[in-house]
Amino acid sequence: GENVEQHPSTLSVQEGDSAVIKCTYSDSASNYFPWYKQELGKRPQLIIDIRSNVGEKKDQRIAVTLNKTAKHFSLHITETQPEDSAVYFCAASRGAGSYQLTFGKGTKLSVIP
Amino acid sequence: KAGVTQTPRYLIKTRGQQVTLSCSPISGHRSVSWYQQTPGQGLQFLFEYFSETQRNKGNFPGRFSGRQFSNSRSEMNVSTLELGDSALYLCASSFSGSVETQYFGPGTRLLVL
Repeated sequence: GENVEQHPSTLSVQEGDSAVIKCTYSDSASNYFPWYKQELGKRPQLIIDIRSNVGEKKDQRIAVTLNKTAKHFSLHITETQPEDSAVYFCAASRGAGSYQLTFGKGTKLSVIP
Repeated sequence: KAGVTQTPRYLIKTRGQQVTLSCSPISGHRSVSWYQQTPGQGLQFLFEYFSETQRNKGNFPGRFSGRQFSNSRSEMNVSTLELGDSALYLCASSFSGSVETQYFGPGTRLLVL
C-alpha cells in the first residue's frame, strides 16, 4: 500500500520567514496530494491540494510543488505569521476514484513572533 | 449547511469495554470515512461507507467495525478496548466518497484507562 513520509516533524521559524515541509510517497499511481492544517483541538482543514498533472500551485502565501519522478511534494509558506502555527499533514491518494487518504505523520510548525 | 458532527466529543472507558461513536455527515453527503489520530502514528484510515456499504477498509483489527444507516449517519464500534485505542477518532463526509471533496468532523477523543 501507499506510504507517505513527512519531514521535519517539528519546525520553528521567525515571523516573516518562510517554512518548507517535505513529503515523499511510494505509490506511483497516487495522483492527488492535499495538505491539511490542524490547529490545537480543532479538526483538520484542507488548505491546498495538487494533482499530478500540475507541477506547482499557489494560493496567496501558500504554495505546493510536486515532483512526480522523484515522488515528492512540498508545502511552502512565505511571510509566516503567528496564526500559521499548527500541525500540517500531507496526504496522498489515487485521486477522484479513491476513497482513502494516506497521511504523513505531521509537522508541528511554530512561528515565533 | 451544517458541518460534520460527531458525538460524543469526549469519552473515557476502561480496558475490555466496548464503545460506539457516531458521525452525522453534511446534509446530502452519502459517504463517511473514519480515521484514527494518535501522536505516534498520525492519521490512519479505518474504513469508508457509502450508501450503507463498506467500500474500503484500512489495516486495523476486527475489533474495529462500523456501519452506516439509510440517512447516511455512521457509527463505529470498538470492542474489547485496549490502552492503545486511546486516540482522536475523526470522521469525514463527502458527497460521493472522493477524497477530493471530504470535510472532517471535530472528532471524538477516546481515553482508555
